[in-house]
Amino acid sequence: AQSVTQPDIHITVSEGASLELRCNYSYGATPYLFWYVQSPGQGLQLLLKYFSGDTLVQGIKGFEAEFKRSQSSFNLRKPSVHWSDAAEYFCAVGRIKAAGNKLTFGGGTRVLVKP
Amino acid sequence: GAVVSQHPSWVICKSGTSVKIECRSLDFQATTMFWYRQFPKQSLMLMATSNEGSKATYEQGVEKDKFLINHASLTLSTLTVTSAHPEDSSFYICSARGSGGAFFGQGTRLTVV
Repeated sequence: AQSVTQPDIHITVSEGASLELRCNYSYGATPYLFWYVQSPGQGLQLLLKYFSGDTLVQGIKGFEAEFKRSQSSFNLRKPSVHWSDAAEYFCAVGRIKAAGNKLTFGGGTRVLVKP
Repeated sequence: GAVVSQHPSWVICKSGTSVKIECRSLDFQATTMFWYRQFPKQSLMLMATSNEGSKATYEQGVEKDKFLINHASLTLSTLTVTSAHPEDSSFYICSARGSGGAFFGQGTRLTVV
């Protein structure tokens, strides 16, 4: 069975500092990987996705993620965090390409941004 | 991008009553819709998958008689929580898939008192 682990439940970062969110997955086939952001009381917004090809994926809002098959990881990064990036971030793995399909989500990482 | 609208955004109901949540794809036809549930401070768990015109497929452990899903048209799916109990209080999110991909609604926070 597929599973996704986000080891960090909370991360606090200063505005302007860099951010990295960890995601490890367990999957028996070629994984399709996604990162979503959820602002308080809101639905999910897709940040980026990886299907194949270049292992460094660029997303919206200045985020990027790198797929490392040898480490079964898909970590999310942003070079300089803005206060508006405070939210909860979910990594997800799916069997097929379309985002928002039958996905398995990680437990989420809540990001707090200090002024 | 495509818009998926959920209604209501939040609802408070009494124990024993039923609550209906609507998920609409506003500018595309959704052949498949997914319903997720999110407990406080936890991740999203898929409850069921519905295809237009057919019965929903429920994930293991989800009571189909309690969480009634109807996908009667290509733009509307409904989730009805029947005989709600306080433990049903949660954040419910739908995802609608069309030819252009899949998009999430803004979610519905249900509180059962």
